[in-house]
Amino acid sequence: QQPVQSPQAVILREGEDAVINCSSSKALYSVHWYRQKHGEAPVFLMILLKGGEQKGHDKISASFNEKKQQSSLYLTASQLSYSGTYFCGTERVDSSYKLIFGSGTRLLVRP
Amino acid sequence: GAVVSQHPSWVICKSGTSVKIECRSLDFQATTMFWYRQFPKQSLMLMATSNEGSKATYEQGVEKDKFLINHASLTLSTLTVTSAHPEDSSFYICSASVFPGQGMGKLFFGSGTQLSVL
Repeated sequence: QQPVQSPQAVILREGEDAVINCSSSKALYSVHWYRQKHGEAPVFLMILLKGGEQKGHDKISASFNEKKQQSSLYLTASQLSYSGTYFCGTERVDSSYKLIFGSGTRLLVRP
Repeated sequence: GAVVSQHPSWVICKSGTSVKIECRSLDFQATTMFWYRQFPKQSLMLMATSNEGSKATYEQGVEKDKFLINHASLTLSTLTVTSAHPEDSSFYICSASVFPGQGMGKLFFGSGTQLSVL
């Protein structure tokens, strides 16, 4: 079962913030976040392993609420290079060692 | 960083022919590789998990006789689309996990193969 991502798409002006959400109906062991630009392979952003864990680098961070099986990706002071499609990948407790990706969130950052 | 090489980048073939796609880990040994399929503007759908020296594990709904996966060495996995038809046209992308010990490590993706079946 595919995790659900929201919103499906978002348009920002450079410098604005955005939040992308990912939720699963199943218990999760970990949540991964990737960004894919058109015609390219997805690129790893971060992994969150523990309930309540938060991670971040630069102006992109994420949180993982293990009890709610939800994760959020936070993009602050967005840059043009942030444009792309963001996917969350979930590793389920009952089906570990494989990653199932969400439907994706298309982000466009305009000047 | 870990590099995964995938070839070919694109292939056009006639209906009924078979196409082989190679996925290599260049600077690390990948005991496990994953094959995904992606339709335009859609998500990455896991097709199968490829394990070195053993049979691949296919996801529900994926025809294992149509999508043959071989993981003969620690650095090479191949996906063969047999008797391809236009509905098999898609973007196929492989990936490998570097540290599969404690759950899934981060995935490194190949550049993908765009298959067009005429």
